[in-house]
Amino acid sequence: GAGVSQSPSNKVTEKGKDVELRCDPISGHTALYWYRQSLGQGLEFLIYFQGNSAPDKSGLPSDRFSAERTGGSVSTLTIQRTQQEDSAVYLCASSLGLSGDGEKLFFGSGTQLSVL
Amino acid sequence: AQSVAQPEDQVNVAEGNPLTVKCTYSVSGNPYLFWYVQYPNRGLQFLLKYITGDNLVKGSYGFEAEFNKSQTSFHLKKPSALVSDSALYFCAVRGLQGGKLIFGQGTELSVKP
Repeated sequence: GAGVSQSPSNKVTEKGKDVELRCDPISGHTALYWYRQSLGQGLEFLIYFQGNSAPDKSGLPSDRFSAERTGGSVSTLTIQRTQQEDSAVYLCASSLGLSGDGEKLFFGSGTQLSVL
Repeated sequence: AQSVAQPEDQVNVAEGNPLTVKCTYSVSGNPYLFWYVQYPNRGLQFLLKYITGDNLVKGSYGFEAEFNKSQTSFHLKKPSALVSDSALYFCAVRGLQGGKLIFGQGTELSVKP
């Protein structure tokens, strides 16, 4: 596709339910990031995938959060047993890698998650 | 661990005046530094980056940023602000060894006519 695609654009769920957020990166991009954007919290790093390397999961806030990237392309962020404090915009970004313009991240429009 | 600080939550500037949005960083070794912008109801967009070379980096929309190694700063500047520059600005850093890109808290820029 032309850009990074995220789905759904909005998700409303009840506390305690599990949710899955999807990210389709730009074709050929080897790096993929998940961030969380909350009011007053800025852009919080969650997880980073680079090629076939083990992902950097150091930003995941708890073991309720997990992510996978299948075939080096599509990624799914899963939040189990959602809590109200999980409400935020979840942003996905991709890039070519770590050389030249590879450092430039392209962001999706995000998924607005609301936990009631 | 790398980190970024944007000390101002909000910056207010009159149209036509120069603007500065501040950023300081902490990283082991030499950094890769970036500015991204988020316009209202639009996604985050790359603005400019510093990797090596000249300390003054020029980017999109007339913006520039100055890398100062001794002060570990990378302030964003523009000589003459436009109302259309009003947006949320994020500074980001990555170490030369690669890995994750860490963003600051963001600074809301408001340019009034």
